[in-house]
Amino acid sequence: KQEVTQIPAALSVPEGENLVLNCSFTDSAIYNLQWFRQDPGKGLTSLLLIQSSQREQTSGRLNASLDKSSGRSTLYIAASQPGDSATYLCAVGNQGGKLIFGQGTELSVKP
Amino acid sequence: EPEVTQTPSHQVTQMGQEVILRCVPISNHLYFYWYRQILGQKVEFLVSFYNNEISEKSEIFDDQFSVERPDGSNFTLKIRSTKLEDSAMYFCASRGESGTEAFFGQGTRLTVV
Repeated sequence: KQEVTQIPAALSVPEGENLVLNCSFTDSAIYNLQWFRQDPGKGLTSLLLIQSSQREQTSGRLNASLDKSSGRSTLYIAASQPGDSATYLCAVGNQGGKLIFGQGTELSVKP
Repeated sequence: EPEVTQTPSHQVTQMGQEVILRCVPISNHLYFYWYRQILGQKVEFLVSFYNNEISEKSEIFDDQFSVERPDGSNFTLKIRSTKLEDSAMYFCASRGESGTEAFFGQGTRLTVV
């Protein structure tokens, strides 16, 4: 059974710092992996999608990497800003599109 | 920008009552999903729907749950007889072609009292 784990559970950094969020999954037979952002009490905003054949994806200050064989993904956020404060969720997908989520990393960026 | 729309944003219902949660997926999308998130817990998959039928469902999605795409735009989740433990945020999601990005709605917070 696929399990997704995110470390750390919470992270607090000063503004401007670069940071890395970690995601691991137990079954490497994934179709893709998607990173989301969730603000308190709100929906999920898609940040990046990496297909199983890809190694990384970039969008603005965000860079996500995927190492399928070791069951790991990282989300790198450059030059963090207070507006980046949110919970970041990692989810692995099968071919039918079913997503299995980690518990998230709650990020706080202090001005 | 196209978005997934869910109504209502918050629904309070009495235990044992039926509820219908509504979603309007992005218009040209083909795959539809429901997820739920109990307060403080992970987002959990409930069901996927493609070509007018359920393609996959979780253990949570028992006989009390059903989904329907009654017309070309709406996608609904019905809970036949609500329990206290059904209280959660319910998210609808949709995507276009196989393997593409999933887009989520803002959620419906269901409170069963």
